[in-house]
Amino acid sequence: EVQLVQSGAEVKKPGESLKISCKGSGYSFTSYWIGWVRQMPGKGLEWMGIIYPGDSDTRYSPSFRGQVTISADKSISTAYLQWSSLKASDTAMYYCARHSGSGYSRSFDPWGQGTLVTVSS
Amino acid sequence: EIVLTQSPGTLSLSPGERATLSCRASQSVSSSYLAWYQQKPGQAPRLLIYGASSRATGIPERFSGSGSGTDFTLTISRLEPEDFAVYYCQQYGGSPFTFGPGTKVDIK
Repeated sequence: EVQLVQSGAEVKKPGESLKISCKGSGYSFTSYWIGWVRQMPGKGLEWMGIIYPGDSDTRYSPSFRGQVTISADKSISTAYLQWSSLKASDTAMYYCARHSGSGYSRSFDPWGQGTLVTVSS
Repeated sequence: EIVLTQSPGTLSLSPGERATLSCRASQSVSSSYLAWYQQKPGQAPRLLIYGASSRATGIPERFSGSGSGTDFTLTISRLEPEDFAVYYCQQYGGSPFTFGPGTKVDIK
């Protein structure tokens, strides 16, 4: 069974750094793009970017480029989303999701369970 | 960047009724790279439709997708109680792979 398991909820202060994770299992981790999606409280889905773990090729939405870093460690089948300096506006649920097929232009399936990030002083 | 607009914002229907949800793109979506997702409260989104009209694995036949170019539709032929949720379209023909704002289907 293909599964994505995300790290647990985080509570951080503004200005702190954070790295959340998404571990893939049940498939060839290096052969599928994995992406990150933000959902702010009560709002819709926002595509942040994707990474191809095979060669670490990464694409960002212009809205998120420079605000976050997407990375992957193929040796442990894990993708990451990190911030160097959190803001209160980063408070959201973050989902990772794998591309449904082994190609670039694909929908997301499956999805991780989500990681809730709360940034508050 | 392709901007997706979904209408209506909220659709109030009764179980057994037909639901028709619209997704419009600001420019043509190449190769009909358009997906639909369902999200229930407290859950991650679930893929329903990809390639504008192909049902994902395990998705009931009452869900169907159609359209091409800039106009796409998700139809739920007869609403079941578990179908009341928020539905998002997403285009993946051109980066960034944007989502629409969603349509909430609630119980009338």
